Amino acid sequence: QTVVTQEPSLTVSPGGTVTLTCASSTGAVTSGYYPNWFQQKPGQAPRSLLYSTKNRHSWTPARFSGSLLGGKAALTLSGVQPEDEADYYCLLYYSEAHLWVFGGGTKLTVL
Amino acid sequence: EVHLVESGGGLVQPGESLRLSCAASGFTFSNYWMHWVRQAPGKGLEWVANIKPDGSDEYYVDSMKGRFTISRDNADNSLFLQMNSLRVEDTAMYFCARGTMGSPGSDYWGQGTLVTVSS
Repeated sequence: QTVVTQEPSLTVSPGGTVTLTCASSTGAVTSGYYPNWFQQKPGQAPRSLLYSTKNRHSWTPARFSGSLLGGKAALTLSGVQPEDEADYYCLLYYSEAHLWVFGGGTKLTVL
Repeated sequence: EVHLVESGGGLVQPGESLRLSCAASGFTFSNYWMHWVRQAPGKGLEWVANIKPDGSDEYYVDSMKGRFTISRDNADNSLFLQMNSLRVEDTAMYFCARGTMGSPGSDYWGQGTLVTVSS
């Protein structure tokens, strides 16, 4: 069974920078997994932030950036705002199996 | 403006069936992949299934193959999820989501419909 792993929780200070990562049990994450990142606040539906590793949607603030880092997909928040406190999920696409798998999510606390 | 509105959730007993719907508006529905994603109470997101723009192919997470069926009506801008033989562990908020044009992923999401399976 394919497992996608994220840090369960991270804490960052307002104005700081934090990197969340997303690893695959099958090996290194590459652009061919088309990593997506989503933000979810309590009681709300998820909101898409990034697709295909690093592409922002029109509504995604520039302080959110995506990359590949050490065999993982990464989401970096620069100049963190209090409203960035949320759960963040990555999503990887396993093309051979036509399978989408979400990571377990990272709870980001801004403190 | 893109809108996705799910409906059809409710309380059912184990073994029963339920059909979820997602009404789409604000975009050319027939041009997009569509997804169902679920979230059990207090848990993370789980991709359920997706379907091609023309409805010719559909894909499922292994644990739901054979019990769940995704379908669409492009004439009515609607997405469906037929769920049979429901189990207590299927209790979750079910979201529909639009695929991202030109790239695997999803962009717009609905607010979800809650399915509770309990005796």
